[in-house]
Amino acid sequence: ILNVEQSPQSLHVQEGDSTNFTCSFPSSNFYALHWYRWETAKSPEALFVMTLNGDEKKKGRISATLNTKEGYSYLYIKGSQPEDSATYLCACRSSGGSYIPTFGRGTSLIVHP
Amino acid sequence: NAGVTQTPKFQVLKTGQSMTLQCAQDMNHEYMSWYRQDPGMGLRLIHYSVGAGITDQGEVPNGYNVSRSTTEDFPLRLLSAAPSQTSVYFCASSYSRRGSSYEQYFGPGTRLTVT
Repeated sequence: ILNVEQSPQSLHVQEGDSTNFTCSFPSSNFYALHWYRWETAKSPEALFVMTLNGDEKKKGRISATLNTKEGYSYLYIKGSQPEDSATYLCACRSSGGSYIPTFGRGTSLIVHP
Repeated sequence: NAGVTQTPKFQVLKTGQSMTLQCAQDMNHEYMSWYRQDPGMGLRLIHYSVGAGITDQGEVPNGYNVSRSTTEDFPLRLLSAAPSQTSVYFCASSYSRRGSSYEQYFGPGTRLTVT
């Protein structure tokens, strides 16, 4: 079982603020890093998957970066909106074995109007 | 495609009762997994399967059994329910083909309460 950690655990921001949070994972035997968005009472939905060191992905106001050498990924939200309120999960896969990902505990984001 | 379906959506059990949570997917995914979600704990892997006839334990397997007789179905059995198994259960599936993103597709969840 990989040690995947996310910080902060929760975050309250005002509408219009930009914010970011971190996912850290073991850098050895890295295969892929996923970010998911999880709204209350719904199922997690995939945002990004990144596999290469230096990868950057963007979807609207949300972007993510990956550093596999030091074992971290950042998720950025520019100009937060109340509809961005959700828990953001990262999941890491290692090479070899079953390829089943290990999830972090998530960062809960609340955007206040 | 219906994607990943789970039944029931809600269930209340008494301590000691047994039941099966159903999960099915119509995407021909090889990998299927069961997770439980508890406050502040994220998603914890209970059991997983990499193909029909093959299952393995995850992080928190005690008290649960699984089987995978077909590619489509992956039921989770609670043998003797305990209050500690009160949780929301998610089933997920993904491709296993080399070069795919291995993105997990999640079902809608089953909220289980054990009294």
